[in-house]
Amino acid sequence: GEDVEQSLFLSVREGDSSVINCTYTDSSSTYLYWYKQEPGAGLQLLTYIFSNMDMKQDQRLTVLLNKKDKHLSLRIADTQTGDSAIYFCAEIYGGTSYGKLTFGQGTILTVHP
Amino acid sequence: DGGITQSPKYLFRKEGQNVTLSCEQNLNHDAMYWYRQDPGQGLRLIYYSQIVNDFQKGDIAEGYSVSREKKESFPLTVTSAQKNPTAFYLCASSIVSGPTRNQPQHFGDGTRLSIL
Repeated sequence: GEDVEQSLFLSVREGDSSVINCTYTDSSSTYLYWYKQEPGAGLQLLTYIFSNMDMKQDQRLTVLLNKKDKHLSLRIADTQTGDSAIYFCAEIYGGTSYGKLTFGQGTILTVHP
Repeated sequence: DGGITQSPKYLFRKEGQNVTLSCEQNLNHDAMYWYRQDPGQGLRLIYYSQIVNDFQKGDIAEGYSVSREKKESFPLTVTSAQKNPTAFYLCASSIVSGPTRNQPQHFGDGTRLSIL
């Protein structure tokens, strides 16, 4: 079955870059997503990448995909205190007849002034 | 503004009681989903529905029930058979399109359920 793994914690200083990593097992993944969750709130879609792409950039966010190693990363440039949140990667499992999302456990990003 | 509304934000359940969580969307999305989130874990799928009057079990459906009588609404009932219901419940919706089913899911703000 499909599985998605993330490291649980990341701490950075304000102004530095943050890199959040994710690995997945399903080779038939079609889309991979990054969501952000602030305390007590739902999930906000940040960005997504199609599996035939290597990189996608959207303002301060850069997504890198290494399909051979099944490794996905999210880089946040010039990290701000408002970026402190839980970040989830998720994949769409290509083997089902609907868009089932499989989520990682989430990475808690803490940004220090 | 279009979006997904979950209510209530906080809910308390007594032992042996059923409770219903509301989820309404005005995005004209076909598919709706219910997830459960526990601390330190990712989201686990409870039920999903791709079309009105049809729904399917997800990975952890035991102790839960749903209905989909209207496109806009997908209420979740947590029954007394669910022995560990304390969690954060998230509702999502998406467009269903094409063989890749690639449309991203959009989430509500969640309902936190606790046991008295």
